[in-house]
Amino acid sequence: KAGVTQTPRYLIKTRGQQVTLSCSPISGHRSVSWYQQTPGQGLQFLFEYFSETQRNKGNFPGRFSGRQFSNSRSEMNVSTLELGDSALYLCASSLGDRGLQETQYFGPGTRLLVL
Amino acid sequence: GNSVTQMEGPVTLSEEAFLTINCTYTATGYPSLFWYVQYPGEGLQLLLKATKADDKGSNKGFEATYRKETTSFHLEKGSVQVSDSAVYFCALSDQVSGAAGNKLTFGGGTRVLVKP
Repeated sequence: KAGVTQTPRYLIKTRGQQVTLSCSPISGHRSVSWYQQTPGQGLQFLFEYFSETQRNKGNFPGRFSGRQFSNSRSEMNVSTLELGDSALYLCASSLGDRGLQETQYFGPGTRLLVL
Repeated sequence: GNSVTQMEGPVTLSEEAFLTINCTYTATGYPSLFWYVQYPGEGLQLLLKATKADDKGSNKGFEATYRKETTSFHLEKGSVQVSDSAVYFCALSDQVSGAAGNKLTFGGGTRVLVKP
């Protein structure tokens, strides 16, 4: 079974621009979660999508948004980029119906650099 | 809220040495516990997991036991190799405001360097 894939792997943007990241989950997985990883803040939860609906949300500003398509693929969008948005953005997929026993499988990440 | 604390690194070892990475957690309810590993330039790989108290997760020579009485999930490996050099993250599954689904709450990560 193919793993979680993320595109692009690397991005360079300038302040004020917007960016869209893409994630394709493992076949059969209906939940996609997004995390931000930075040296200062570590790994932080952004949001989770399940069956095309945002099911959970972390503590990030509204500039961070996402969506999920009927084939479970997900996109994450960051508008009005700030220098502090430079990070590794990780996508994780899971079945979505196992509650606290759910296991999330991560993609390789998209490294975003904001100049 | 729930939280995970793990020992700060870096941890530097010689090949074939014994590795222990301490992880303790604070949680309400009955979370599952995980260890993930991150190699340079890569995403997170699931190393092992445990879903209830006294469960032992194991994989590739690594082990960790879910200890509810001490709220711990320490990672151990009896004989490390250079290829085990990576950053290790302890995590717990966490509900978000009682909603369905869950998120992972991570510790800060422990960098391990194994020298030949």
